[in-house]
Amino acid sequence: EVQLVQSGAEVKKPGESVKISCKGSGYKFTSYWIAWVRQMPGKGLEWMGIIYPGDSETRYSPSFQGQVTMSVDKSTATAYVQFSSLRASDTAMYYCARHWSPGSAFDYWGQGTLLTVSS
Amino acid sequence: QSALTQPASVSGSPRQSITISCTGASGDVGSYDYVSWYQQHPGKAPKLIIYEVSNRPSGVSNRFSGSKSGNTASLTISGLQAEDEADYYCTSYSSTNPYVFGAGTTVTVL
Repeated sequence: EVQLVQSGAEVKKPGESVKISCKGSGYKFTSYWIAWVRQMPGKGLEWMGIIYPGDSETRYSPSFQGQVTMSVDKSTATAYVQFSSLRASDTAMYYCARHWSPGSAFDYWGQGTLLTVSS
Repeated sequence: QSALTQPASVSGSPRQSITISCTGASGDVGSYDYVSWYQQHPGKAPKLIIYEVSNRPSGVSNRFSGSKSGNTASLTISGLQAEDEADYYCTSYSSTNPYVFGAGTTVTVL
């Protein structure tokens, strides 16, 4: 069974950093891209970027370029998105999702990680 | 990047059919058949219901169907049921970025 399991909710202060994880299982992790999607409270879905675990190729949305860093650890089949200097506006639910190629559908999703940034 | 345009809300009575539109441009919806649709219930992760314009993943009800004409894709829900009440998002491959999302449509079953 394909599963993407994300790390738990985080509460951080402005200026702090955080790394959210997404562990894949039930499939060949290095053969599928991982996308990260943001959903701010009460708002729609926003594509942040994608990473290919096979070679760590990344493509960022212009809206998120320079704001986040995506990475993978092939040995543990885990993808990460890191925020280096958090702002209150980063408060959102973050989802990871699997897809076959750039442009293809997100067929499996993680359960989401709620990030709250507040002083 | 500009989001794809969806109606904010659509409603219908049980057993009726409704259609949600998703309008893009020649650089996304109009040029590629990589249009997909997602259903999201409150507090849940999105779920893929249509991929590549009109294909249903295994296990998705055949009451959901997708189509495309020019720069506009559409999702039709036939035989509307209470469980279909949710938010629906379209997304498309884009020539400038791999993905662009629609702003989402809330479906209400009257």
